[in-house]
Amino acid sequence: DTGVSQDPRHKITKRGQNVTFRCDPISEHNRLYWYRQTLGQGPEFLTYFQNEAQLEKSRLLSDRFSAERPKGSFSTLEIQRTEQGDSAMYLCASSSVNEQFFGPGTRLTVL
Amino acid sequence: AQKVTQAQTEISVVEKEDVTLDCVYETRDTTYYLFWYKQPPSGELVFLIRRNSFDEQNEISGRYSWNFQKSTSSFNFTITASQVVDSAVYFCALSNRDSGSARQLTFGSGTQLTVLP
Repeated sequence: DTGVSQDPRHKITKRGQNVTFRCDPISEHNRLYWYRQTLGQGPEFLTYFQNEAQLEKSRLLSDRFSAERPKGSFSTLEIQRTEQGDSAMYLCASSSVNEQFFGPGTRLTVL
Repeated sequence: AQKVTQAQTEISVVEKEDVTLDCVYETRDTTYYLFWYKQPPSGELVFLIRRNSFDEQNEISGRYSWNFQKSTSSFNFTITASQVVDSAVYFCALSNRDSGSARQLTFGSGTQLTVLP
């Protein structure tokens, strides 16, 4: 399978705990995006990498959120001190030029 | 700021009917890209089409067709002879262009299409 993969697919955590998600993009894609999708809504942009450089961050990305793409390949998204409002599907997408291809997402539930 | 509006929250049709999903967008950019994605019950977003703002030609791909009208800021999607497998949430999205390439997507809130047998 050469598509975008995300791990884990589901995560249940207690409020206040830290969580980390991983995204492996399509291998030849240099651009990587993180989005968040809540029930009944479209995905909302969080942040964007070109190779290892984080070029843009949304205002949605509070100080508790951090993303990295250390070698320009896989990326991690960490949420510190999770809150119930962080419960959502976290989507990763990659692209080489224009079309973004999405992974299956990580569904986070904060109790 | 960019905005995408999909006014139809839910649409239900009977198999073999044609159905059109509406999309209206707002942007200050003179060049941009428009997209449609499908999200089936499995949850993974599937890319369907990309359209450049300077190309207003309509496009047909099998049972799918897209009508882009810059004058009304609309990019509508029609499924001809719908099938049960078309049941999904469909998202319209907009991206500005940076150095000729698309950037992050602004999505609409989606239209839930249900095709009944």
